[in-house]
Formats: sequence, C-alpha cells, structure tokens
Amino acid sequence: DTGVSQDPRHKITKRGQNVTFRCDPISEHNRLYWYRQTLGQGPEFLTYFQNEAQLEKSRLLSDRFSAERPKGSFSTLEIQRTEQGDSAMYLCASSPPDRGRPGELFFGEGSRLTVL
Amino acid sequence: DQQVKQNSPSLSVQEGRISILNCDYTNSMFDYFLWYKKYPAEGPTFLISISSIKDKNEDGRFTVFLNKSAKHLSLHIVPSQPGDSAVYFCAASGGAQKLVFGQGTRLTINP
Repeated sequence: DTGVSQDPRHKITKRGQNVTFRCDPISEHNRLYWYRQTLGQGPEFLTYFQNEAQLEKSRLLSDRFSAERPKGSFSTLEIQRTEQGDSAMYLCASSPPDRGRPGELFFGEGSRLTVL
Repeated sequence: DQQVKQNSPSLSVQEGRISILNCDYTNSMFDYFLWYKKYPAEGPTFLISISSIKDKNEDGRFTVFLNKSAKHLSLHIVPSQPGDSAVYFCAASGGAQKLVFGQGTRLTINP
C-alpha cells in the first residue's frame, strides 16, 4: 500500500498527558499537511510543510502543538498537556510538487484522539 | 467565521436519480474549488474540482457548477448509485496551500 499512512489510528489518553502522531506521506510527495476534524465539521487546516520547512501554521495551532518533518519525509504532530477539547480526528495529507490538480490532497485514514 | 458552508447536513436520493449537493462561500479571493468524498473510517478522497475562471466541469457522472456572482457551487451526480453514499465536503483554496472545508453533507442513496 503506497498511500498516506498514519499511526496510531486511535489514541486514548488522560488530560494533561502528551501524545504524538506520526504520518508517512506518499514517497514522491514533497508537501505534507495536518488537518483536524471534529464531529460534524469539515477538516480544519493546522499546518503545512514543503520538504522539511514548515511554511504555514494556523492560529488553531496553539503553543501546546508542535509539528516537525525533520528530513522532509515523515512528520510528527505532538500535543503537550492534552485537554478534552483536543479530542478530534487528526488527518495527514500529502501532495506532489506542482503536479496534478491544485488542492488535490491525498489523505491518510487519520488518527483519532480521545482525551478523558 | 465559516467561509465555506454546506447548509444541508444530509440528503437522501433514490438510486438512479440526480443528487445535487450545494455549497456557499463568502471569500471572493477563493480561486479554486474542490469536492471531496469520505467513507467511514477512511480519509477524504478528491472527487472533482473547478477553477474560478470556469463555470462548469464534468467528469463522468459528476459535474460541478460554479456561480461566482452568487458565491455558490453545486455538485451533481447522475445517475446516483448506492456506492455514492458517503459524506461530501466542499473545499476552497485562495492561492495559499491550505484548503477551507465546509461542514459536509451526508448523502444516502436508497435502492
């Protein structure tokens, strides 16, 4: 399977704990995105990488959130001191370099976070 | 500030008939619009898109219409098939890399 891979698929944690999600994009894709989706809403943009550079961050990404893509391949999204409001599906997507249709992202299946 | 809105949370259509999903936007700087389809336990998948310089784009059973003056777009699926049952998201892009999504419409195709 050469699609976008996310791990873990589901994480249950207690309030105040730290969690980390990993995303492996499609291998030839240099652009990587993180989105968050809550119940009944569409995905909301969190951040965007081109290769290893983080080029855009949403205001939604508070200082408790940090994302990295150290070698321009896989990415991690860490949430520190989790709050119940962080419970959501965290979606990773990738896209190829200036090919294909604008805005066509390839999404992974998501990592669902439940904060108790 | 919901820049992209899908006002119908759900839609039920008989198999073989036309499904019409609607989307409104407020930001006139958006220049590209997309529809994504999502099955349960899967990530969204790209379906069809349209540039703001066009008013129609067709791909098989799927057609997207754009009315810039009304800031409205719609997705037509004809004929509707049971496999079309999914949540459909409208999304818009304004030149930056991020997409702004609507809330989604759950489409159910009844046999």
